Amino acid sequence: NAGVTQTPKFQVLKTGQSMTLQCAQDMNHEYMSWYRQDPGMGLRLIHYSVGAGITDQGEVPNGYNVSRSTTEDFPLRLLSAAPSQTSVYFCASSLQGFEAFFGQGTRLTVV
Amino acid sequence: KQEVTQIPAALSVPEGENLVLNCSFTDSAIYNLQWFRQDPGKGLTSLLLIQSSQREQTSGRLNASLDKSSGRSTLYIAASQPGDSATYLCAVRKGYSTLTFGKGTMLLVSP
Repeated sequence: NAGVTQTPKFQVLKTGQSMTLQCAQDMNHEYMSWYRQDPGMGLRLIHYSVGAGITDQGEVPNGYNVSRSTTEDFPLRLLSAAPSQTSVYFCASSLQGFEAFFGQGTRLTVV
Repeated sequence: KQEVTQIPAALSVPEGENLVLNCSFTDSAIYNLQWFRQDPGKGLTSLLLIQSSQREQTSGRLNASLDKSSGRSTLYIAASQPGDSATYLCAVRKGYSTLTFGKGTMLLVSP
């Protein structure tokens, strides 16, 4: 049972480049979400989804885009990378109101 | 806006001690509360989930309590071991899907 899988694990981008962080889960969870973790700031919610075709913004959505075409996948797109987006990104999934499971994270550096 | 505070920010204890980590939240209208462990450079591992109707949950040497009316939760670790060294995160869920995190308590257990 793979759980929540994030790719890539590490990425370096130049300012202005775009990329997609991948997240997949094999637990048939309706709820999926993206967080970023920064020193001194804790984990902050970027976007979340309550099911295929339904997404909503979290606390820090600017500069990021999401879509959810299947239950399993919830990719996060950086439209035009900025140094302020240097962070560790975590994807999570859960059943409604139940225990959340997290991926191993993607460490992104924007230079 | 929900705010979650964890005290202390860091804790260093000798092996074998019993210890308590504290978590407080400003909005008592929560659905549940989840404690996580995070090792350096790794993802989040779920430790315990307490539903709003519960007072405590136990898993091995870990016991988490919840006092929703006062906005507090504690994580009790019995007979601490060096392998318990990690950052412990508390997160509350208000709706069915998203979590609000504290900034964590960094625990070091020395042999």
